Amino acid sequence: GQNIDQPTEMTATEGAIVQINCTYQTSGFNGLFWYQQHAGEAPTFLSYNVLDGLEEKGRFSSFLSRSKGYSYLLLKELQMKDSASYLCAVIDSNYQLIWGAGTKLIIKP
Amino acid sequence: DVKVTQSSRYLVKRTGEKVFLECVQDMDHENMFWYRQDPGLGLRLIYFSYDVKMKEKGDIPEGYSVSREKKERFSLILESASTNQTSMYLCASSPRTGDVDTQYFGPGTRLTVL
Repeated sequence: GQNIDQPTEMTATEGAIVQINCTYQTSGFNGLFWYQQHAGEAPTFLSYNVLDGLEEKGRFSSFLSRSKGYSYLLLKELQMKDSASYLCAVIDSNYQLIWGAGTKLIIKP
Repeated sequence: DVKVTQSSRYLVKRTGEKVFLECVQDMDHENMFWYRQDPGLGLRLIYFSYDVKMKEKGDIPEGYSVSREKKERFSLILESASTNQTSMYLCASSPRTGDVDTQYFGPGTRLTVL
């Protein structure tokens, strides 16, 4: 079967760095998305990786290793507004999106 | 900016009622999707549509139907609501520019079936 694994919840301190991991087992791979979702709001696009390596976008970076079926989202200089759920989603060989359950990130002052 | 709107943020219905959830996007996107989101589970695809009057079943279509009469509007219908359909429903749209397209989400409708 197809599976996306993410930690359910993480806690970090304002100003620190946090890494949210995502591992996947899917039938084929055509890319991986990270979305941010604040409580009660719509998911919003953060990043898309299809090649191995690190993609940096401001305070957020996303890494992909296709051989390991692994990605992470790195958040630097954490701010209180970064408290949200972070969703990992993989595009399979049929170009269907497979979603992880999301990681709830709690930022403490 | 892409805007995807949903007709209600919160909805409370009774078991057996017919429920309509409306979604409208203003960016001329070809693709539209309906998901439900439940605690501890990933987004689960109910139905999607790649064109007007076209629909495809997703992973959990049972108990639902959809309608796409106009390009900008995609409706989700619960023919006879049941308590296990209490959930957050998210609509999304994406352009058909290639095989991989970013999906843009609406704010969601939190449906409670009593």
